[in-house]
Amino acid sequence: AQSVTQLGSHVSVSEGALVLLRCNYSSSVPPYLFWYVQYPNQGLQLLLKYTSAATLVKGINGFEAEFKKSETSFHLTKPSAHMSDAAEYFCAVSEAGSGGGADGLTFGKGTHLIIQP
Amino acid sequence: EAQVTQNPRYLITVTGKKLTVTCSQNMNHEYMSWYRQDPGLGLRQIYYSMNVEVTDKGDVPEGYKVSRKEKRNFPLILESPSPNQTSLYFCASSFKGGIQYFGAGTRLSVL
Repeated sequence: AQSVTQLGSHVSVSEGALVLLRCNYSSSVPPYLFWYVQYPNQGLQLLLKYTSAATLVKGINGFEAEFKKSETSFHLTKPSAHMSDAAEYFCAVSEAGSGGGADGLTFGKGTHLIIQP
Repeated sequence: EAQVTQNPRYLITVTGKKLTVTCSQNMNHEYMSWYRQDPGLGLRQIYYSMNVEVTDKGDVPEGYKVSRKEKRNFPLILESPSPNQTSLYFCASSFKGGIQYFGAGTRLSVL
């Protein structure tokens, strides 16, 4: 069984400040991990994914995430927030091998990122 | 352009009136899936399909039906909708082992 916990349903940062969105996972087998972003009135887009290669993963729009096995974490960061980053962010986990396909992805409850001008 | 298309985008209906939400993808993906998104609960999988005529339950299948008669289409059927099925619904597709591509969503209100 696998699960994802996202700490903080809402995170507010100032424009230009560091963005840190937290994600911890639970998985009985080596996981694949994903971050998705959902802009208002849109579907989900993949930001980045970890599939057991490099532990530091770079994604689109300047986001990156680091896989830390000892902490079972996969936190999402961006050095400098932009107003356009305001969105809902979802962490997700799948079993290695399923690749995050439509059969085996488990989502966290989401974190709403608010950017203050 | 590669895409997952859901229709309708918005739907208001009444309790007990059967409805179908369509989903179509043009990427020749084997896997397709339906999710519902509710505030504070994230996305929960309703049903998924691994190929034509192969479907399986996700985490919250009660009250829903699906069919996969063609590879590109995966409709979601609510035979007798109830107010607790008011939600935002997403269809997604992928290759086996590949990332998922999501539709734009269908916002359903059941009165």
